[in-house]
Amino acid sequence: DIVMTQSPDSLAVSLGERATINCKSSQSLLYKSDNKNYLAWYQQKLGQPPQLLIYWASIRESGVPDRFSGSGSGTDFTLTISSLQPEDVAVYYCQQYYSNLAFGGGTRVEIK
Amino acid sequence: QMQLQESGPGLVKPSETLSLTCSVSGGSITSSSDYWGWIRQPPGKGLEWIATIYYSGNTYYNLSLKSRVTISVDTSKNQFSLKVTSVTAADTAVYYCARLTHYYYIEVWGRGTTVTVSS
Repeated sequence: DIVMTQSPDSLAVSLGERATINCKSSQSLLYKSDNKNYLAWYQQKLGQPPQLLIYWASIRESGVPDRFSGSGSGTDFTLTISSLQPEDVAVYYCQQYYSNLAFGGGTRVEIK
Repeated sequence: QMQLQESGPGLVKPSETLSLTCSVSGGSITSSSDYWGWIRQPPGKGLEWIATIYYSGNTYYNLSLKSRVTISVDTSKNQFSLKVTSVTAADTAVYYCARLTHYYYIEVWGRGTTVTVSS
């Protein structure tokens, strides 16, 4: 099974500042036949189901603000919020879909 | 716009079977591009994938739960279901049903239903 590890567990960022979340997989998520990384990012606000932010490691879902960006390849990935807004307070999860599904443990983002 | 709605008992006794149903509206469960799945979230914890099904009946399970879990689909009712046998307190969680793309990332989530295992 592929194990997903996120870091940090939580972070506090000032409004307007950058937030960076890391996600590491136990094996490569890059599928050579299509050169795609099988990784998604979700945002979960308190009391709500998660919502898809990014898929294929870097493609923003429709309607997601462009301050959210995803990067990385192989086993190391990053979600960046370029300028943190109050509505971005949430828990963020990465998910691999290279082999069935598995989620990272989540990263809580708060306002400093 | 597609919506998913979970339903089922909110309280289940230890050793009994947990049964949930997900009703799909605003789209067909027989869409060739979609898969359907269950994910759960214990209180204060992260997300755990449980199982996935295609409308044809092909199923995929989290190996850690496979011996106790069954996912099924009823195309006539546009629903899919989950059964978890021999439940314990560790099965207490919010259970989400979801629509997955052909590649298994999740585009649509239900609002979730809380299931508590307690006598």
